[in-house]
Parts: sequence; structure tokens; C-alpha cells
Amino acid sequence: AIRVTQSPSSLSASVGDRVTITCRASQGVTNDLGWYQQKPGEAPKLLIYAASSLQSGVPSRFSGSGSATDFTLTISSLQPEDFATYYCLQYYNYPYTFGQGTKLEIK
Amino acid sequence: EVQLLDSGGDLVQSGGSLRLSCAASGFTFSSYAMSWVRQAPGKGLEWVSAISGSAASTHYADSVKGRFTISRDNSKNTLYLQMNSLRAEDTAIYYCAKASSGSYGWFDPWGQGTLVTVSS
Repeated sequence: AIRVTQSPSSLSASVGDRVTITCRASQGVTNDLGWYQQKPGEAPKLLIYAASSLQSGVPSRFSGSGSATDFTLTISSLQPEDFATYYCLQYYNYPYTFGQGTKLEIK
Repeated sequence: EVQLLDSGGDLVQSGGSLRLSCAASGFTFSSYAMSWVRQAPGKGLEWVSAISGSAASTHYADSVKGRFTISRDNSKNTLYLQMNSLRAEDTAIYYCAKASSGSYGWFDPWGQGTLVTVSS
């Protein structure tokens, strides 16, 4: 199975900050990687698919980059509603695997 | 609007069985693969199982292989997860999710989740 290592596991930041979350896959997944946001008590929400494609309706301050084994999610200017937990997902092959999650907290 | 409605979660004893359902609407159900993803209390997301749009292929996480069975009824636009030999570590919120194609892909949207609690 492909292992996906996500970092950091937690992050404290302020409104207006630029933040970056990374995922590294144990083998190449081409661009078959997505990013999700989850708030407490809610289902995950798709932000980015195919490594860098912004899902319809998601604010443009979210962006994704990378290919093969190394990927990043960037939030250019944090807004109050962005404080949540973020996960990456590789869907290159089964079993699909998620990163361990990054909890983004208010500093 | 695409909607997924999970149901069937309950409190069950270790060794017991449960069947989850996911009712889909707003899209051509048979054209898309579907998956189940779970989240144990306070933990991260774990992919559990997937089925292709035609139901010709299924996939399972090692942690549930041989105990869980995924299926779908395309005439009823419904996805199922039959869970047997349940263990305490199966306690989680279970989400169904629509894939982006008939065979694989990213998940969007997700159901609201249904809680399975396995008591030991």
C-alpha cells in the first residue's frame, strides 16, 4: 500500500497568514491526489483535486501543487473560517490512503 | 443537486453484524464508483471499501477484508456496506462518498455520516 506522510500534524497561525501543508507519498501517484477540509461535526469537503485543480466554489486563496511524490496545499491569506483539519488523499491505486491530517488552529 | 444520505449506524455487540445504506440522488448513480470511508472518534480518515459503477469490481482495506462486503443496487440508487464480525476497533463514523468516475477518483460529495458503535 502507498503510505502518505502529511506534515505538520498541527499548525498555529493568525488571520492573514500564508500557510503550507505538505504530503509525501511513498511511491509516485502522478497527480492523483486531493485535499480535503473538515470542520468538527461535519463531513470532509473537497478543496483540490488532481493535485492542483480548484474545486468549484472553493475560494481562490486555496491552491495545490506537486506531482509524483511531493504535494503542497497553500492557503494564501488565512480567514477565520479556514481554521479546521486538512487531509490529503491519494487515489492513484487501491487501497486509497489519507494523510494523517493537519489541525490548523488560531494563534 | 447531488445528495448522499447515510443510514444504518447503531450500537452493536462485538461479533455482531450491521448493514449500512447510502441513498444517492441528483446524478446517474450507475456511472460512478462509490466508497465507504470511516473516522474513529478523534482520529483521522480511513478508506474502507470501494465498488465500481457497474459493480464489476470491489476493493477493501486489509483491516476489513473478509468481514465487510460492499454492494450496490443501481435500480434503487443505493450503496450498502454489510459489516460482519464487528470489533471494537470498527467503532467510527462511516461516510459514503461518490467518486469522480466509474472506476476510481477523488471523492465528492460525501454523505453526512452514520455512527457505528461496537461494544466489547
